[in-house]
Amino acid sequence: AQSVTQLDSQVPVFEEAPVELRCNYSSSVSVYLFWYVQYPNQGLQLLLKYLSGSTLVKGINGFEAEFNKSQTSFHLRKPSVHISDTAEYFCAVTRGNSGTYKYIFGTGTRLKVLA
Amino acid sequence: DVKVTQSSRYLVKRTGEKVFLECVQDMDHENMFWYRQDPGLGLRLIYFSYDVKMKEKGDIPEGYSVSREKKERFSLILESASTNQTSMYLCASSFNLQTYNEQFFGPGTRLTVL
Repeated sequence: AQSVTQLDSQVPVFEEAPVELRCNYSSSVSVYLFWYVQYPNQGLQLLLKYLSGSTLVKGINGFEAEFNKSQTSFHLRKPSVHISDTAEYFCAVTRGNSGTYKYIFGTGTRLKVLA
Repeated sequence: DVKVTQSSRYLVKRTGEKVFLECVQDMDHENMFWYRQDPGLGLRLIYFSYDVKMKEKGDIPEGYSVSREKKERFSLILESASTNQTSMYLCASSFNLQTYNEQFFGPGTRLTVL
């Protein structure tokens, strides 16, 4: 079975500083990996996803993530954050082949960007 | 633009009441999902539907049921609401069951059961 761990429940960072939100997964099969963002009082929206190919994935709003198979990680990064990036970020994993529909979501990381 | 709407943003109900949460998507998606979101627990799947009148249990179906009479509409029903069902409920849809597909989420319904 797959699982996802987001060790940091909250990450405070100053505006224009870089940020990394950590995500580790466990799976015995190939996986697809996703990052979703939830702005206050809104639903989740997709930031980026890794399906195959290049391990560096670029998403919306200047975010990127790197798939590291040996470390089973998919950390999210942004070189310079804005106040508007304040939100909750969820990492998710699915099986990389047919057989199950399920997303497994992490517990979320609340990013707080400080002025 | 893709859209998933939920009937209420905030709902307050009393213990024992029957509660209906409605979700509508305008993307002609096959699949629709109901999640529950609680602090520190992330999103947990309650039920999903892969076609009209078809449904499958997720990870936490106890105390809930669902209905999908039309492709665009997916309802979550709390037969007898309890205080431990106070939570944020998120509806989502996806094009088909391929797991590489993005899920599109509604804005959520914050339900409080007193």
